[in-house]
Amino acid sequence: DVKVTQSSRYLVKRTGEKVFLECVQDMDHENMFWYRQDPGLGLRLIYFSYDVKMKEKGDIPEGYSVSREKKERFSLILESASTNQTSMYLCASSSVFGTIANYGYTFGSGTRLTVV
Amino acid sequence: TQLLEQSPQFLSIQEGENLTVYCNSSSVFSSLQWYRQEPGEGPVLLVTVVTGGEVKKLKRLTFQFGDARKDSSLHITAAQPGDTGLYLCAGAPLSAGGTSYGKLTFGQGTILTVHP
Repeated sequence: DVKVTQSSRYLVKRTGEKVFLECVQDMDHENMFWYRQDPGLGLRLIYFSYDVKMKEKGDIPEGYSVSREKKERFSLILESASTNQTSMYLCASSSVFGTIANYGYTFGSGTRLTVV
Repeated sequence: TQLLEQSPQFLSIQEGENLTVYCNSSSVFSSLQWYRQEPGEGPVLLVTVVTGGEVKKLKRLTFQFGDARKDSSLHITAAQPGDTGLYLCAGAPLSAGGTSYGKLTFGQGTILTVHP
């Protein structure tokens, strides 16, 4: 069964800590995405990557960075965690090849991050 | 910037009732997808509609793509408590020189609660 795996389901960190969220996919997908999901605000794109070592800012990149050293792994880094980064973080992947029906995302189960 | 407006934002109904969720935009999309998300999990792709006017059925769920490919609807017949969740629509952009990277535009979501 193909999947996207996020390393932690729940995480509690202190303000100012550097936080790493890891995401691994086993579908050989080119695209990988990081979203945060907050009540009333929907899914907001933080960063995405369309190839190894390639990254593009999404709608809300401030306070975040990413790393994609291998095709299957996309990491989200909170440089100095703040309480307003408490959220549900979702990783997703998709393929660029084939028909446009392939644009469907496969999401991970999410990481619920609390910054105290 | 492409936007997708979903309505209603909340829906609370009794088991056995029918319901419709709408997803509207002023932009044209190459395809439109519907996802369902259960609490504490990531969204799961239900269906992709590609052709204007297309209708797809998934058991008691009927999905329709507007003729102009700007809107879509999800109709559930005889809702059951197991249908409870967050429903998200997402639009795939028209190709822009093949560099759209498959970024989807998400609606804000509809929270559906079906009471026994």
